[in-house]
Amino acid sequence: AQKVTQAQTEISVVEKEDVTLDCVYETRDTTYYLFWYKQPPSGELVFLIRRNSFDEQNEISGRYSWNFQKSTSSFNFTITASQVVDSAVYFCALTYIPTFGRGTSLIVHP
Amino acid sequence: DTAVSQTPKYLVTQMGNDKSIKCEQNLGHDTMYWYKQDSKKFLKIMFSYNNKELIINETVPNRFSPKSPDKAHLNLHINSLELGDSAVYFCASSHYLQGNNSPLHFGNGTRLTVT
Repeated sequence: AQKVTQAQTEISVVEKEDVTLDCVYETRDTTYYLFWYKQPPSGELVFLIRRNSFDEQNEISGRYSWNFQKSTSSFNFTITASQVVDSAVYFCALTYIPTFGRGTSLIVHP
Repeated sequence: DTAVSQTPKYLVTQMGNDKSIKCEQNLGHDTMYWYKQDSKKFLKIMFSYNNKELIINETVPNRFSPKSPDKAHLNLHINSLELGDSAVYFCASSHYLQGNNSPLHFGNGTRLTVT
């Protein structure tokens, strides 16, 4: 069985603050993929990043960065200098049966 | 061009009715999925088809029946609708090979309201 835990239900920040969304996963597979998706208020689900279990390098894309640590089974997501447009529900997911965490709602206030 | 399209976008119906949601993808993916998102935003997988073959069938009432006429289509038929079926249903597709799984591409969702 596999499981994804996003312990933070809701995070509220003020614009320009940095924020980290936590993701902890459980799986018995030795090879697996982790994903982050964004669901803005408009409702669509948007893919952000994929990481495979053999690649523990951190990744940075603009204001977004991801920290994958296999030793702690975590794949955390940091937004630097948050903006109002970052307000959304963010989901962490694990394959092969695509299993989603319950999501973290991020609210960025102007 | 829409990559994953599902229709209708909104569906309002009464308890006991039968309804269908259609999904089509033009990405050339070999795997399609149906997810249910409840009012608390929890995304739960319902079904998955790979090359028209059912590969995932989670604990879903028998009233829900997926149908995949070809790799590009995965429809969801729901019989005897109940109030608890009210949710947003997302179709998704990906390219799946053992040891590799591409990101899911989602449709825009169908908001089903059962009254």
